[in-house]
Amino acid sequence: DAMVIQNPRYQVTQFGKPVTLSCSQTLNHNVMYWYQQKSSQAPKLLFHYYDKDFNNEADTPDNFQSRRPNTSFCFLDIRSPGLGDAAMYLCATSSPEASGRRETQYFGPGTRLLVL
Amino acid sequence: AQSVSQHNHHVILSEAASLELGCNYSYGGTVNLFWYVQYPGQHLQLLLKYFSGDPLVKGIKGFEAEFIKSKFSFNLRKPSVQWSDTAEYFCAVMPPNDYKLSFGAGTTVTVRA
Repeated sequence: DAMVIQNPRYQVTQFGKPVTLSCSQTLNHNVMYWYQQKSSQAPKLLFHYYDKDFNNEADTPDNFQSRRPNTSFCFLDIRSPGLGDAAMYLCATSSPEASGRRETQYFGPGTRLLVL
Repeated sequence: AQSVSQHNHHVILSEAASLELGCNYSYGGTVNLFWYVQYPGQHLQLLLKYFSGDPLVKGIKGFEAEFIKSKFSFNLRKPSVQWSDTAEYFCAVMPPNDYKLSFGAGTTVTVRA
């Protein structure tokens, strides 16, 4: 019944070693989002895909990239993780056109990234 | 800057006490409003949402929220909390003509048995 799936749930990487987090969805939603959430803070939107169109937030560091090979999958690539990138990374999906502005985002369980 | 403000960072209360969490936003025009909850170790879940119509919205687990347009507020309430309501609560706003969410900083609610 899982609708937004994130793997792995926990990821440990080394300082500067590239890491990829994955998200998949069974909802067939056309928009997929990546958020960064640090402890006791609000989720911060990094970027999103509207269909195949990539939309980066203005303050997202270049170190963060994303790929969406098809509707169901979306990846977050961190090219050179720093200690400050340790956080929970949340994937979410939505379908603005289908909902007619009655829009809800559905979140995955998140991947907790630890940078050593 | 346009934003979402949650008044309380941490609320501690006893079981059966009433809960009210404040949320104010600064966007003009028609907005969509949400409350999400994050239980310890779990993912963000939708608690309730407001799009239009009756400004008093009922959600899951006995929660409700009231949209007061004149005050740009969307406060969350529960008449009698349980220990299992211990969680972090996030207010979120979808600004006019947008589909992205803007989150408040969150309120940690601790319910003591």
